[in-house]
Amino acid sequence: DAGITQSPRHKVTETGTPVTLRCHQTENHRYMYWYRQDPGHGLRLIHYSYGVKDTDKGEVSDGYSVSRSKTEDFLLTLESATSSQTSVYFCAISPGLAGGADTQYFGPGTRLTVL
Amino acid sequence: GDSVTQMEGPVTLSEEAFLTINCTYTATGYPSLFWYVQYPGEGLQLLLKATKADDKGSNKGFEATYRKETTSFHLEKGSVQVSDSAVYFCALSGSNTGNQFYFGTGTSLTVIP
Repeated sequence: DAGITQSPRHKVTETGTPVTLRCHQTENHRYMYWYRQDPGHGLRLIHYSYGVKDTDKGEVSDGYSVSRSKTEDFLLTLESATSSQTSVYFCAISPGLAGGADTQYFGPGTRLTVL
Repeated sequence: GDSVTQMEGPVTLSEEAFLTINCTYTATGYPSLFWYVQYPGEGLQLLLKATKADDKGSNKGFEATYRKETTSFHLEKGSVQVSDSAVYFCALSGSNTGNQFYFGTGTSLTVIP
């Protein structure tokens, strides 16, 4: 299994508070991703990173920011959490192979509840 | 744009039944195709993949063949077990999608003894 951990695994917070989720990898993979998973929507990409300090938006980036200061860590921040951000958040990594040859590996997920 | 459409669930089968979960895709270029499996309370795990047309991916008794002519990558297993109960996701990584993946909405499978 790919070495990916997420912390915390579970979090309950209140509307309007800031929240930071952490993804840590030990595979030295170039790409890291944040997804959210909601019933009926499958996986939706929030942000991704293609290197240290290099990030880009995904399909549902509003209300989220990310940072990557080290290869192994990718942080997802909800600046002011809302109830619509209650979800399960997954981090994924990939080596960044070109030409469609890449494979993503997933972390165990963080269940976030915003009251 | 690139996308994946997979069969709606939930699917309920008896143990030892034959499984097919349909997946079709839309992509420019030559994508790689994947099946991921998610067990309750866990993250997605790569089940199998195929990187070019006519390739067959296989793992743990599951198989899927990359059919370019029908733009499909259907998942099959000859005899399912209770332990196969999970959610299955079809996905693609395009040759020109900048290392982004596109996932289907998932198909929930329950196998009853």
